[in-house]
Amino acid sequence: GENVEQHPSTLSVQEGDSAVIKCTYSDSASNYFPWYKQELGKGPQLIIDIRSNVGEKKDQRIAVTLNKTAKHFSLHITETQPEDSAVYFCAGEPNAGKSTFGDGTTLTVKP
Amino acid sequence: NAGVTQTPKFRVLKTGQSMTLLCAQDMNHEYMYWYRQDPGMGLRLIHYSVGEGTTAKGEVPDGYNVSRLKKQNFLLGLESAAPSQTSVYFCASSFAGGHTGELFFGEGSRLTVL
Repeated sequence: GENVEQHPSTLSVQEGDSAVIKCTYSDSASNYFPWYKQELGKGPQLIIDIRSNVGEKKDQRIAVTLNKTAKHFSLHITETQPEDSAVYFCAGEPNAGKSTFGDGTTLTVKP
Repeated sequence: NAGVTQTPKFRVLKTGQSMTLLCAQDMNHEYMYWYRQDPGMGLRLIHYSVGEGTTAKGEVPDGYNVSRLKKQNFLLGLESAAPSQTSVYFCASSFAGGHTGELFFGEGSRLTVL
């Protein structure tokens, strides 16, 4: 089955700096890669996703890049703000209904 | 529009007791899922359903049962709770699986087994 590894597990940045979170996956059949943000006491919420026919996708301050050859994808957050502080999860989905999540990255943005 | 609603939000059980978590979605989604979240281990899929009347095992199904008698509801049961099942449980739904499906999550149910 799919195995998704996520790094780092914790990340602390100064407000205004950029943050990068990286994930690798094992199943070459995976071709949908979402990123979820989980705020304290809430369920995860999709913030951006990418499909395998695209190398990069951007939505305002967040972007995701995908390298299918190397089997890794990354989340980039620019101009970080305190409200970006949360736990971020990547996922890979090789089969319908079976997303595999990374272990999460706790991002802290210091004002 | 409530989205995905989980009940109860908190529960404390003694070892060996049984309970059922209820998930309801009002988005007419075909797919529904139960995940558990433990510290440092991300979200692990317990069981899922690709439509009314169907269920399938996920990554960590042992000790749990599920039912999807109605499209909008997905129930997670623990027949004989164990301390290892102390966790936060999340229900999710999606319009479809297979590379198209944003997951919509509930707010979680925190279960403690003593």
